[in-house]
Amino acid sequence: AQKVTQAQTEISVVEKEDVTLDCVYETRDTTYYLFWYKQPPSGELVFLIRRNSFDEQNEISGRYSWNFQKSTSSFNFTITASQVVDSAVYFCALSERGIKAAGNKLTFGGGTRVLVKP
Amino acid sequence: EPEVTQTPSHQVTQMGQEVILRCVPISNHLYFYWYRQILGQKVEFLVSFYNNEISEKSEIFDDQFSVERPDGSNFTLKIRSTKLEDSAMYFCASSESQGATNFRPQHFGDGTRLSIL
Repeated sequence: AQKVTQAQTEISVVEKEDVTLDCVYETRDTTYYLFWYKQPPSGELVFLIRRNSFDEQNEISGRYSWNFQKSTSSFNFTITASQVVDSAVYFCALSERGIKAAGNKLTFGGGTRVLVKP
Repeated sequence: EPEVTQTPSHQVTQMGQEVILRCVPISNHLYFYWYRQILGQKVEFLVSFYNNEISEKSEIFDDQFSVERPDGSNFTLKIRSTKLEDSAMYFCASSESQGATNFRPQHFGDGTRLSIL
């Protein structure tokens, strides 16, 4: 069974500080996909990134960076030089490929609320 | 860019009443999903739908729930007799095919907030 754990429920930082969100996952599948979503106060889910299990390259996109480590089953997310607009709940999610090539569900972690104070 | 649209954005219903949440997936997508998020909690999978039938459902998706694709564009979630604990945000999503070498992400709508009184 697939499981995603985000141990940090809430992180509070002052603007311009860096913040790292932890995500640990469990799966028995050898092919899977990892995601991060942002949920601002307005409630919608905003897709940030997707990673395949066979691609362990870290990625940077502007102030966002992601560190995927298969050896520790972790997919951590760092916001550099945080801004007030980064205040949101961030969800890590996992989708197994399984025996079905398509239509596989997402399993979400519990989310980490990030509060960036001016 | 095409997007998944959900209506209404907020639905208020009396306990025991039936409610239908509507979604228009992206037009060339083949897979459809419903997820639920109780206030302050994580997003939970309810059901996936492909080729006019349910392909997977969670234990949350009991006999009170049903899904339908009544025409070529809409995808609906019906809750037959609502309970207070059905109050949540309901997200619809859709995707093309997914696979190890041909992955297609799920695109989410903005959600319908369901409030049961």
